[in-house]
Amino acid sequence: EVQLVESGGGLVQPGRSLKLSCAASGFTFSDYNMAWVRQAPKKGLEWVATISYDGSSTYYRDSVKGRFTISRDNAKSTLYLQMDSLRSEDTATYYCARHPTYYGYTQYYFDYWGQGVMVTVSS
Amino acid sequence: IQLTQSPSLLSASVGDRVTLSCKGSQNINNYLAWYQQKLGEAPKLLIYNTNSLQTGIPSRFSGSGSGTDYTLTISSLQPEDVATYFCYQYNNGLTFGSGTKLEIK
Repeated sequence: EVQLVESGGGLVQPGRSLKLSCAASGFTFSDYNMAWVRQAPKKGLEWVATISYDGSSTYYRDSVKGRFTISRDNAKSTLYLQMDSLRSEDTATYYCARHPTYYGYTQYYFDYWGQGVMVTVSS
Repeated sequence: IQLTQSPSLLSASVGDRVTLSCKGSQNINNYLAWYQQKLGEAPKLLIYNTNSLQTGIPSRFSGSGSGTDYTLTISSLQPEDVATYFCYQYNNGLTFGSGTKLEIK
């Protein structure tokens, strides 16, 4: 059974940093591109970042470029999101999600999601 | 690509056929998915590539559309279908619609 379990959320002051983790199990982690998606309170969903299966390529939404870093450790089956220079508008539940493959090609929707972790940026 | 979902709130009776709409600001080329999010839960994939049903999803859910206009249909609404439904495009960038909240009348 595919499982994605996020951790590392909490309350942080504006301008500070936080690092999220996502522990994956039930599938061969190193075969899949992975992503972070966020949802501000009572709001819609917003893709944040994607990393390729081997970590060689990363992609970010414009509002987090230069502040957030997505990375992975395939030996530990773990995905990370380093968030620096946090702003109040980064307050959201952050979900770890998997991009599926089809005959070895990555599909850019998300087939499995973690339960989410809350990040609150406030003084 | 911007996605506009309508209506934002839909109230229907158990057993009704329900149709949710998603319109793109540009051609989506069928790279559209639908997600169901129940209160306090993570989103769940229902439909991908416009009309492919994800494994384990009941057959009362179906998707259709082309170009800029897409639809999610629930053929016979069940109480457990109460949720917010988001469309999502992956043709040009990765963007979600603002959601349709579905309630039981």
